[in-house]
Amino acid sequence: GNSVTQMEGPVTLSEEAFLTINCTYTATGYPSLFWYVQYPGEGLQLLLKATKADDKGSNKGFEATYRKETTSFHLEKGSVQVSDSAVYFCALVALSGGTSYGKLTFGQGTILTVHP
Amino acid sequence: GAGVSQSPSNKVTEKGKDVELRCDPISGHTALYWYRQSLGQGLEFLIYFQGNSAPDKSGLPSDRFSAERTGGSVSTLTIQRTQQEDSAVYLCASSLVIRGPRTDTQYFGPGTRLTVL
Repeated sequence: GNSVTQMEGPVTLSEEAFLTINCTYTATGYPSLFWYVQYPGEGLQLLLKATKADDKGSNKGFEATYRKETTSFHLEKGSVQVSDSAVYFCALVALSGGTSYGKLTFGQGTILTVHP
Repeated sequence: GAGVSQSPSNKVTEKGKDVELRCDPISGHTALYWYRQSLGQGLEFLIYFQGNSAPDKSGLPSDRFSAERTGGSVSTLTIQRTQQEDSAVYLCASSLVIRGPRTDTQYFGPGTRLTVL
């Protein structure tokens, strides 16, 4: 089956520090990969996505590259801000076994706290 | 123009009672998904609708859970005889089917927090 594994949190950083949140996956079929973010008190929002190998998704200074050889999609940001404090979820959609819809499989989430 | 809306935002119920959770997708979105977010299980898929049809109900945890969608729009998730393990945040998402299910962005609602006492 499909699964996503994220680095365990919580992650606590100072403002302007470099961020990496690791994400690896297993999937049948050819997955698309996503990072979703959940800010305090808000719903899940798509942060970025990549749909094929070597694609780089980027948004709001965050980047992640689809690495098929290592089955990874690590999230990075060069300089975090206090406003980046949130829960980050890695996810995938993989069509296989006759599935024809975009069921998301999520990682367990990583809590990020950024201090001034 | 509004996003996905869900109601109620919070629901507290007693064990054994039935509850109904509502989702209003973004206008024109034909695909609708229900997920559940709980401490022990993380985010898990429950059911998917394309139009009014639910091709896959295998994510529903038990036969106490059911869902329907009418008019290709509003969806209701019903939990009968609620149990304490049903306590979770129930999330609804919708997408506009354009390029295909691998790439269509799912837009999430704020969720309904269900607490079963």
